[in-house]
Amino acid sequence: DTEVTQTPKHLVMGMTNKKSLKCEQHMGHRAMYWYKQKAKKPPELMFVYSYEKLSINESVPSRFSPECPNSSLLNLHLHALQPEDSALYLCASSQDWGGGGYTFGSGTRLTVV
Amino acid sequence: QKEVEQNSGPLSVPEGAIASLNCTYSDRVSQSFFWYRQYSGKSPELIMSIYSNGDKEDGRFTAQLNKASQYVSLLIRDSQPSDSATYLCAVSNNAGKSTFGDGTTLTVKP
Repeated sequence: DTEVTQTPKHLVMGMTNKKSLKCEQHMGHRAMYWYKQKAKKPPELMFVYSYEKLSINESVPSRFSPECPNSSLLNLHLHALQPEDSALYLCASSQDWGGGGYTFGSGTRLTVV
Repeated sequence: QKEVEQNSGPLSVPEGAIASLNCTYSDRVSQSFFWYRQYSGKSPELIMSIYSNGDKEDGRFTAQLNKASQYVSLLIRDSQPSDSATYLCAVSNNAGKSTFGDGTTLTVKP
């Protein structure tokens, strides 16, 4: 069982919808990440939260809005997405930002129609 | 030049053989190096981390790091069909940002 839990596992949304992806970890990790992965491509970094503060925003369009309510939770709010945003969205955590490898969640497979 | 480059695949080896996966990186101040395994349709799983020059062994896996040559490799001994997956090399710089290579797809044939 993964120690990083993501919900939902699958999501189909229209271009006018608003939805949220959720991520939870109980390993006491202080850094959490959102990655986007397209088929047969490596994960691409979107956001980094370190000690609940946004540390990196990799020039992600504003239709993606991250939120870190506490040290265990990470959300990604989605609004007015485009079909090209369809991808696997991965949440990950690590002991500290820059400290150690990542534990990934199982991901949310998002389809925008 | 890509920040992290992996040997182009796919790589196919017979069961029981040694699989060798290679990775080079461009940022000389990189400090941490990781190998992830990703099965088709699944998320990446950390299998090895290495921080200093030399070899690090964990079961059938050995990671090798040569900072002077900016090179990191993963050897899988006694390869099994269950090792068939895409292997991602990741390199972290001193700002804590990890960059992934494009991955090498390994197939182990029974």
